[in-house]
Amino acid sequence: EIHLLESGGGLVQPGGSLRLSCTASGFNFSNYAMTWVRQTPGKGLEWVTAVSRSGNTTYYADFVKGRFTIFRDNSKNTLYLQMNSLRAADTAKYYCAKAPVATIAYFDYWGPGTLVTVSS
Amino acid sequence: DIHMTQSPSTLSASVGDRVTLTCRASQSVRTWLAWYQQTPGKAPKLLIYKASTLESGVPSRFSGSGSGTEFTLTISSLQPDDSATYYCQQYNNGWTFGQGTKVEIK
Repeated sequence: EIHLLESGGGLVQPGGSLRLSCTASGFNFSNYAMTWVRQTPGKGLEWVTAVSRSGNTTYYADFVKGRFTIFRDNSKNTLYLQMNSLRAADTAKYYCAKAPVATIAYFDYWGPGTLVTVSS
Repeated sequence: DIHMTQSPSTLSASVGDRVTLTCRASQSVRTWLAWYQQTPGKAPKLLIYKASTLESGVPSRFSGSGSGTEFTLTISSLQPDDSATYYCQQYNNGWTFGQGTKVEIK
């Protein structure tokens, strides 16, 4: 059975940094592209970033470019999101999700999410 | 950027009703569209991809149609478990979600 589990969320001050992790199990992690999607409290879903199965190709939403970095360690079946220069607007639940194939399209499995709160 | 607009924002219907949700794209996404269901406190669940392909394990009362800029998600006979928010997502050019349609049971 496929499982994704995010961790690393918490309270951080504006301008601070946080690293999220997503541990995968139940599938060959290195064969699939992965993504991070966030959801602000009471709001809809917002795509943040994605990475190819090798980790060599990354994609970012404009609102995180230069501040967030997605990367993966296929030997550890783990996806990461390094978040720097955090803003109040980055407060959200962050989900990692798996693409169904090597290419990034829709997302067939999601973790339960981890909450990031940016506040002083 | 491609903008996705869903309507209505909220829909209230009775068990057994046929329900249709709409998703419109600001430019053509061909058939590169997915639908998700989300219940409170849970992660989204994939229902449909490529506009009309039902994900494995999803009940057959769910169906999707459309191409280009206009898409629909239909629930043929609404069940209590279908009370949720439904999101469309395009993946033709980048990845963009609609703002969601909340389906309530009367």
